[in-house]
Amino acid sequence: DGGITQSPKYLFRKEGQNVTLSCEQNLNHDAMYWYRQDPGQGLRLIYYSQIVNDFQKGDIAEGYSVSREKKESFPLTVTSAQKNPTAFYLCASSGAGQGIMNTEAFFGQGTRLTVV
Amino acid sequence: LAKTTQPISMDSYEGQEVNITCSHNNIATNDYITWYQQFPSQGPRFIIQGYKTKVTNEVASLFIPADRKSSTLSLPRVSLSDTAVYYCLVDTGGGNKLTFGTGTQLKVEL
Repeated sequence: DGGITQSPKYLFRKEGQNVTLSCEQNLNHDAMYWYRQDPGQGLRLIYYSQIVNDFQKGDIAEGYSVSREKKESFPLTVTSAQKNPTAFYLCASSGAGQGIMNTEAFFGQGTRLTVV
Repeated sequence: LAKTTQPISMDSYEGQEVNITCSHNNIATNDYITWYQQFPSQGPRFIIQGYKTKVTNEVASLFIPADRKSSTLSLPRVSLSDTAVYYCLVDTGGGNKLTFGTGTQLKVEL
């Protein structure tokens, strides 16, 4: 089945450690996104990528890094520089790319990261 | 400058029609309006998308006036399972930035 997969669903890390969240899609979508959601809050955009080997900062990129070496994959690294990393992280993809109108975005089930 | 503005919350009862309005005064000519639904601890799910006038699917209707500065999501005959957060999005990033607002928490009661 086509879809977007995030792993793991739950992740625990010690403070000061870097951690990488996985996001894979087999929808042949050009655009991929990472969002952070805190309890009772909306989604805030961390990074997005419209095409392989290119990505842009979203609204809260500090303390995070991404790569887009393959069309199917858009991993997010939460670095030790992120002051409050405990949150629910959501990855999404859409068929939109540069110059193309936005289309429906498909979301993964999320990764809940807890830093202790 | 907020891209979209929605009510923070709405309450309704089962069987009623619910209309959620979103303001997007700075919508660009090429922007589409998209609505998503999110349940707790899940990713948002696409509901409906439109550019102008009216769009209807099996789940909802979307009404967009001629000036496109607002849109209204209409949910017919809601049930308890429609309790969720509803987000209105417009693409103002000029490159499909997909920025979400705070959303509207809809609570449906018996």
